[in-house]
Amino acid sequence: DAKTTQPPSMDCAEGRAANLPCNHSTISGNEYVYWYRQIHSQGPQYIIHGLKNNETNEMASLIITEDRKSSTLILPHATLRDTAVYYCIVRPLITQGGSEKLVFGKGTKLTVNP
Amino acid sequence: GAGVSQSPSNKVTEKGKDVELRCDPISGHTALYWYRQRLGQGLEFLIYFQGNSAPDKSGLPSDRFSAERTGESVSTLTIQRTQQEDSAVYLCASSQRQGNGQPQHFGDGTRLSIL
Repeated sequence: DAKTTQPPSMDCAEGRAANLPCNHSTISGNEYVYWYRQIHSQGPQYIIHGLKNNETNEMASLIITEDRKSSTLILPHATLRDTAVYYCIVRPLITQGGSEKLVFGKGTKLTVNP
Repeated sequence: GAGVSQSPSNKVTEKGKDVELRCDPISGHTALYWYRQRLGQGLEFLIYFQGNSAPDKSGLPSDRFSAERTGESVSTLTIQRTQQEDSAVYLCASSQRQGNGQPQHFGDGTRLSIL
């Protein structure tokens, strides 16, 4: 079972920031938070991941609360091409047999509107 | 650079036939994964390869499913005596050696339709 909780859907206006929340209240100290997205008819696309500190790359920013029980993915200037299902996943830092797999929940369907 | 490549992109076959799906991982990636995604559903883990270690087959749904990987390169997923419930998109992912939180990178999958 997925260890994360996300809202099923969100809307965002084109050009505005999209803030996607994720709850992972049972996260362990050795688990990373990963974000992926899946655009229709494509495979999941890796976006960003983090352990404790906030992270930023060319695609997005990841804000992790101090207690690590929740995080927010920020798309600073959403475009129509950012319409997709966004998945928040937790996974151990040091993986052993059987735990390398990613467990996808239902994600958040983000619709960017013109 | 080249991403994960899967072939064929689409496969339609009759119930009872065997099918073979191929995955070419990103060069240098030692870990390779297969997942299945049924229509409107999330991803289900099938099998994981890491170097010369024994594969993690815990996600394979039945003995009709098998997968092989030659060294750290191409992998094939074989489904024997296909059933209609096998219809799904089969996704392959690869990553650098595990242990440092390396992300998995996915191909666009093979869409399998069983008539």
